[in-house]
Amino acid sequence: NAGVTQTPKFQVLKTGQSMTLQCAQDMNHEYMSWYRQDPGMGLRLIHYSVGAGITDQGEVPNGYNVSRSTTEDFPLRLLSAAPSQTSVYFCASSLRLPSSGNTIYFGEGSWLTVV
Amino acid sequence: AQSVAQPEDQVNVAEGNPLTVKCTYSVSGNPYLFWYVQYPNRGLQFLLKYITGDNLVKGSYGFEAEFNKSQTSFHLKKPSALVSDSALYFCAVPRAVNDYKLSFGAGTTVTVRA
Repeated sequence: NAGVTQTPKFQVLKTGQSMTLQCAQDMNHEYMSWYRQDPGMGLRLIHYSVGAGITDQGEVPNGYNVSRSTTEDFPLRLLSAAPSQTSVYFCASSLRLPSSGNTIYFGEGSWLTVV
Repeated sequence: AQSVAQPEDQVNVAEGNPLTVKCTYSVSGNPYLFWYVQYPNRGLQFLLKYITGDNLVKGSYGFEAEFNKSQTSFHLKKPSALVSDSALYFCAVPRAVNDYKLSFGAGTTVTVRA
């Protein structure tokens, strides 16, 4: 009963480095997304996917890349890390649209610091 | 766009006392409303949701929420708070019809003192 699994939990990067945050769900959910959480800014949507092979941009997509090759996995890539990307990142999934009453389930979060 | 508001940044209660966390909403049509809790250094955990039907919704960890259409509110309640309920609570609503994104309130920090 894993739900949404994110790795790593904590990561420190140097400016300019690239890395991938992994996300996997075992609930056969169609929808997956990445949010970032910053003090005073709430949760902001980075990218989302409505199914394998389909991705789209959210509110703050710049500097991030995603792909959805399988239903289960939705990795988030930081192309060239910047201090402004220091944040807590959450992966989330739901069976269908929350606007139809479906629940979005979140992972445990990935704390990223860019120095 | 649909939205929610949490008018209180912080709520402080003594253990054993009732706990209420307030949320008001602005939606078009029938609302789908959600409550999440975030413990320190943890992810958001789903507590409960309102879809339709009974105005009193029961959720996890002894929480319940009352949907009030006339007051456009969806307040989270617990009859007897525990110290372990100290956390950050978010109310949320789908941003729009046929939209994947949830719009979250700013969050309310609950502190339950022993």
